[in-house]
Amino acid sequence: EPEVTQTPSHQVTQMGQEVILRCVPISNHLYFYWYRQILGQKVEFLVSFYNNEISEKSEIFDDQFSVERPDGSNFTLKIRSTKLEDSAMYFCASSETGQGFNSPLHFGNGTRLTVT
Amino acid sequence: DAKTTQPPSMDCAEGRAANLPCNHSTISGNEYVYWYRQIHSQGPQYIIHGLKNNETNEMASLIITEDRKSSTLILPHATLRDTAVYYCIVRVAGAGGNTGKLIFGQGTTLQVKP
Repeated sequence: EPEVTQTPSHQVTQMGQEVILRCVPISNHLYFYWYRQILGQKVEFLVSFYNNEISEKSEIFDDQFSVERPDGSNFTLKIRSTKLEDSAMYFCASSETGQGFNSPLHFGNGTRLTVT
Repeated sequence: DAKTTQPPSMDCAEGRAANLPCNHSTISGNEYVYWYRQIHSQGPQYIIHGLKNNETNEMASLIITEDRKSSTLILPHATLRDTAVYYCIVRVAGAGGNTGKLIFGQGTTLQVKP
């Protein structure tokens, strides 16, 4: 069964550094999402992406964050100048359709980001 | 956004049916009910979704009341591997670029016991 894959599984970085988290969505999917989960807290929506542009973003997704689909298969989340509070699990998800809402989001197993 | 209410925790005996309730009294007519689960810190796993009718797949059954104000997820024969946090989510209806994001609450922690 097709799945969303994320790399790396664990990333350690120093405060102030830039990190890029990578995702390969399911191949025929058109809508892409990033979520994060701080340890012990809820899964939080960050951003959705469709047709090569951001469709919707949360308050968390400020100028420190950016997303890109650099080619036909990858979907990346860049975090500039990382802070300690950016330490979290970051989940990528994809969906065949968005506004139809009859197509589920499929999630990857996440990248654990640790900022020291 | 339609809000959901779930009990924070439930226990179930291995081999028995697990019935997880969810209230969504403010749901709109075109909003789907989705169920996901999260095992440890893995990515949320899709289970099932529905609009009005009851649904069944290889993982679970979803029973939605006629007024759509509540639903129940049924795992027919729970195993230890079904121990997880279960999320009931009303998927936000689309408008002006809304891409149907899922908003996760705290969910129900289901503990399946031997």
